[in-house]
Amino acid sequence: QSALTQPASVSGSPGQSITISCTGTSSDVGGYNYVSWYQQHPGKAPKLMIYEVSKRPSGVSNRFSGSKSGNTASLTISGLQAEDEADYYCSSYTSSSTLDVVFGGGTKLTVL
Amino acid sequence: EVQLVQSGAEVKKPGESLKISCMGSGYRFTTYWIGWVRQMPGKGLEWMGVIYPGDSDTRYSPSFQGQVTISADKSISTAYLQWGSLKASDTGIYYCARRGGNDWFDPWGQGTLVTVSS
Repeated sequence: QSALTQPASVSGSPGQSITISCTGTSSDVGGYNYVSWYQQHPGKAPKLMIYEVSKRPSGVSNRFSGSKSGNTASLTISGLQAEDEADYYCSSYTSSSTLDVVFGGGTKLTVL
Repeated sequence: EVQLVQSGAEVKKPGESLKISCMGSGYRFTTYWIGWVRQMPGKGLEWMGVIYPGDSDTRYSPSFQGQVTISADKSISTAYLQWGSLKASDTGIYYCARRGGNDWFDPWGQGTLVTVSS
């Protein structure tokens, strides 16, 4: 089961905006509006930040937003803050495997 | 409050068996899928499989099929991840999470660290 493709790292300065991409295929990201994003700080469990491409769970800052175009989904974080420094993972529903969810490889966000 | 609480850290030798647990509370355990995720040291997240506690319907990632067994005991709202013969490469943190929709899982358990070393 192939992972979705994410950049290994991105960086930005406080106050700036960054975007993390998540590229899949028509069997996963491109075929369904079922992409979610998770934030993981070192030593902590992942936390759901975005689901169904662009929906935010209660309690998640509106600085986090999601979108999708074709086979690529994106997570945008605006007004970067030091506490946003973490690993970010995308996940998508997939029709191409016996298990119907797949992760991206993860992106390390560094706040300069 | 919806919560998943996992069993504690384990240290095992290669070839030993192991069963770790994930207890749900604050919701109807039988009506939500539970997923298991592996995170090897310094690496990313990998879906291992999911189980529906209501009828024990289980799906595995091809990478983990035959390597682990996922089960659930709905009478005590607990899901399990089991190994019959551990390998050093099974070392990692294992998370359980409740599936809320087609793509999303929330909340997550706190993770169980499994160390396999001779």
